[in-house]
Amino acid sequence: DAGVIQSPRHEVTEMGQEVTLRCKPISGHDYLFWYRQTMMRGLELLIYFNNNVPIDDSGMPEDRFSAKMPNASFSTLKIQPSEPRDSAVYFCASRVVSGELFFGEGSRLTVL
Amino acid sequence: AQRVTQPEKLLSVFKGAPVELKCNYSYSGSPELFWYVQYSRQRLQLLLRHISRESIKGFTADLNKGETSFHLKKPFAQEEDSAMYYCALLRGSTLGRLYFGRGTQLTVWP
Repeated sequence: DAGVIQSPRHEVTEMGQEVTLRCKPISGHDYLFWYRQTMMRGLELLIYFNNNVPIDDSGMPEDRFSAKMPNASFSTLKIQPSEPRDSAVYFCASRVVSGELFFGEGSRLTVL
Repeated sequence: AQRVTQPEKLLSVFKGAPVELKCNYSYSGSPELFWYVQYSRQRLQLLLRHISRESIKGFTADLNKGETSFHLKKPFAQEEDSAMYYCALLRGSTLGRLYFGRGTQLTVWP
């Protein structure tokens, strides 16, 4: 397995634009997590899914953020409209219950 | 509420010196604790978990329930240990969610 795959690796966009980040979890993993990493706040959990169902989205900053998991092999995190304060590295991670959490390489977002 | 606390944002030591990265947690049940590491330009990866009680890359961590701590230690730091270290807590009631601390950036000087 190639591990958790995220795209794009880097995204530079202008304020107000829509941003879509994508994630393919490891096959067979039934938990998927979206994290945001910044210098100020460290690693924050935004939302996580179990068997494609959102379990906890309390970490989603505001209504501009949304996440979906239409099937077991794909998830998206969307920001619309984007703002400069959204600039961060966004990580996707997956696991099985009681198993190790595997992270993707992250998507570095810069909003100008 | 902060469930995992890493009091040091930055930690610097010289090569060969002992290093201890502190982690305290808040949870009244039976926790499962982890240390994750992120080397420069790489993805986060599991370093060790307390239930395995093993030493990885010379690092060890002991769960102290009395002090609610899970400090990461290495007797002789190496330059390649320079990285960001995250302590994480799995609480049984949260259906597989890990709570991460804010991380400690370790720099090992030559």
